Formats: sequence, C-alpha cells, structure tokens
Amino acid sequence: GAGVSQSPSNKVTEKGKDVELRCDPISGHTALYWYRQSLGQGLEFLIYFQGNSAPDKSGLPSDRFSAERTGGSVSTLTIQRTQQEDSAVYLCARQQGNYGYTFGSGTRLTVV
Amino acid sequence: AQSVTQPDIHITVSEGASLELRCNYSYGATPYLFWYVQSPGQGLQLLLKYFSGDTLVQGIKGFEAEFKRSQSSFNLRKPSVHWSDAAEYFCAVAIKAAGNKLTFGGGTRVLVKP
Repeated sequence: GAGVSQSPSNKVTEKGKDVELRCDPISGHTALYWYRQSLGQGLEFLIYFQGNSAPDKSGLPSDRFSAERTGGSVSTLTIQRTQQEDSAVYLCARQQGNYGYTFGSGTRLTVV
Repeated sequence: AQSVTQPDIHITVSEGASLELRCNYSYGATPYLFWYVQSPGQGLQLLLKYFSGDTLVQGIKGFEAEFKRSQSSFNLRKPSVHWSDAAEYFCAVAIKAAGNKLTFGGGTRVLVKP
C-alpha cells in the first residue's frame, strides 16, 4: 500500500534459518504495527511500536520472534530458527492521526 | 479481551445482487470499527470506519455499514455487487484503552457469479 514499504516481498527459507523482514513506514514517526496472516486465517497482531514507549509485544507467538524499530522509523521483524508453521504473510501497518492505518503489501514467507 | 466475529467464511453472490457481510464484536465499551478489503495478492484497503455520530457510514466503492450498539454489530452492505468486488473482507475493531491496535475478524471471502 502507498506509504508503507515492506521488503522482501517474498522470502523462501529453509527450516531452522533466521530471517529478517523489513518495514519502512516512509512517513517517519508514526505508530507501527506488525501482523501475521496465515493461509486461510485472519490477521493476527504481533507487535506494536508507539513513540518512545515500550513496544507492546503481547502478540509475539514465541521467543523466536523479535522486532525492533530504529530511530522511530524503519522496523525489522526477526524470526529465529524458522519453523514451517511460521509460513505466512507478514504485514506492517503505520498509524497516523485518528486511527488512520495504512498497510504495506506484506512479505510472503515460506519455510521449506 | 476484545474479539471480532465474522460468522460467514464464504459468501457467493450473483453480480448485480445485494451483499451483506456480518460482523459482531465483543467488548464492554464501544470500539472504533473498520472494514477492510483484500483483493487477491493485494494489501489491505480501508473501505470505511466508524468512530461516533451517525450510525450509518458510507465508504468507498459503494459500500456502507451500520453500527448497531444493541446488537454489537457492524454489518457491511452493498446494494449491487460488481465482479470486481470478489475479495476477502475483514472487520476490525480498535480500543483506545488497548493501545489502539486493530483486532481483526477471521474474514469473509466473497465470490461473485456472473
């Protein structure tokens, strides 16, 4: 979607490898969210960054998942020791103003 | 915890017919409510949102939704569907007290027959 850039658009990785997914909200200092969309499933909240507050990590499914946001802008979601159940589309969204959420086009992760 | 239910996983509708997608939420306070559409291989696009005021909300692409507090519902409607409306539709809620994060329903996939 316009205004949120995610890379790569597709990633195939071997089970057990680490992967990094990148999100650039472009508009700078906004709230930023990560969601996961598994095949045939809805969107599952993973983590949320807002300003200098501690991130809300309540949605991360395991300690293999982590995320950081550098300089209040670009965010990286890291999955360590990937498993096949991690295969999904990972979506990033930014929020500006009053609940104006803009989603990126996502990274499709396939773990083989 | 807040939750969003979309009871219909799939709906098939003929082109030109009306469409209604159901959404129910569970939360003590009135949340902010959203409908998103996701076309195949595409990202999420906001159709409409409700914060307060008039309970009938107009959105893009000819969609509208009605908030009914008594039923905890926010159903999406379109009077006459077009083949291009074939997509997956997601209802979502956000609660300010929960950090504004969107909680999504499971989605409804809409198929449009010629």
